[in-house]
Amino acid sequence: DQQVKQNSPSLSVQEGRISILNCDYTNSMFDYFLWYKKYPAEGPTFLISISSIKDKNEDGRFTVFLNKSAKHLSLHIVPSQPGDSAVYFCAATPNTGGFKTIFGAGTRLFVKA
Amino acid sequence: SAVISQKPSRDICQRGTSLTIQCQVDSQVTMMFWYRQQPGQSLTLIATANQGSEATYESGFVIDKFPISRPNLTFSTLTVSNMSPEDSSIYLCSTTGPERSYEQYFGPGTRLTVT
Repeated sequence: DQQVKQNSPSLSVQEGRISILNCDYTNSMFDYFLWYKKYPAEGPTFLISISSIKDKNEDGRFTVFLNKSAKHLSLHIVPSQPGDSAVYFCAATPNTGGFKTIFGAGTRLFVKA
Repeated sequence: SAVISQKPSRDICQRGTSLTIQCQVDSQVTMMFWYRQQPGQSLTLIATANQGSEATYESGFVIDKFPISRPNLTFSTLTVSNMSPEDSSIYLCSTTGPERSYEQYFGPGTRLTVT
């Protein structure tokens, strides 16, 4: 049962354009959402997060949008840079406390120069 | 932020053998986690390791197959026992991030191939 789904295994974008990575979830108990970025041979690194009480969080070129009614979140990267080429994981944590973080399968982003 | 190292970075093992993966953190941390990422799949939590207590395993993972040690606040090991090709995965350890956040810091992972 995949509670966090990233339906696009890969995405290719031209440098300078917007990258939009999507994530859907099924569990209404999730109340905190995170995006991680992973380069080859490295562990995932935290990128940006959003609480369920918000619908948008922005950090520089990265913005995460949350649509609770649709159980959908998206990560926007503007403008995209070649160094953004990586695998992006969406993750969600339930409001039961602790660190039971559920991860999606990831989307590989290619930013072409 | 915590810096986490893992050994080995990769290994190729024969079925039926065991491999112990080491995870070292550069600061003292209460909680450490072990994840598995099978090819093309998401990161799946295997267990939570707290110093001074037994590890807490997630559904589908058992201590006999994945024994974990947590001898101090900076170190943990995960053993993959009696390996089969289905155990071929990337194994990652992590710790909690800044206080009052749900972020985690991850090690670089151990890529295990079982033949």
